[in-house]
Amino acid sequence: GENVEQHPSTLSVQEGDSAVIKCTYSDSASNYFPWYKQELGKGPQLIIDIRSNVGEKKDQRIAVTLNKTAKHFSLHITETQPEDSAVYFCAAKAPSSNTGKLIFGQGTTLQVKP
Amino acid sequence: NAGVTQTPKFQVLKTGQSMTLQCAQDMNHNSMYWYRQDPGMGLRLIYYSASEGTTDKGEVPNGYNVSRLNKREFSLRLESAAPSQTSVYFCASSEVETVNTEAFFGQGTRLTVV
Repeated sequence: GENVEQHPSTLSVQEGDSAVIKCTYSDSASNYFPWYKQELGKGPQLIIDIRSNVGEKKDQRIAVTLNKTAKHFSLHITETQPEDSAVYFCAAKAPSSNTGKLIFGQGTTLQVKP
Repeated sequence: NAGVTQTPKFQVLKTGQSMTLQCAQDMNHNSMYWYRQDPGMGLRLIYYSASEGTTDKGEVPNGYNVSRLNKREFSLRLESAAPSQTSVYFCASSEVETVNTEAFFGQGTRLTVV
């Protein structure tokens, strides 16, 4: 089955710097790659996603890139702010799964220092 | 619009006790999921239900059972709790008609087994 690896496990940056989180997946048939943000004491929430027919997607300060050949995708946050501090999860979905079932990475704890 | 509602929010159990975690969604989604979150291991799928009346095992189903009571409700039961089941449990739901299947999560249940 699908396996998703996420790095780094923790990331600390200064406010205003950029942050990059990387994930690799094992199932080359996977076609949907969302990123979730989890704030303390809350459930994860979708922040951005990308489909396998797209190489990059941007939404204000966040962007996601996908390299299908290498089977990896990355989250980029520019001009980081203290409110970006949270746990971030990447995930992948294979088309063989008709349930919407997502396999998640291990998570990255991002700390943005003021 | 409440989204996904989980009860209880916190629970302490003694080893061997049983309990049921409740989950309900009001978004008319077909698919529902139970995940557990442990430090360094991300979100791991326990069980999922593609539609009312069906359930399937995920990555870590041992020690758990589920019931899809109707389209709205999906419960997770621990028959004989063990300390290894100490975790934060999340219920989620999604609609799978498109590739971009956003999963909506509840607030989580923090379970401690002593």
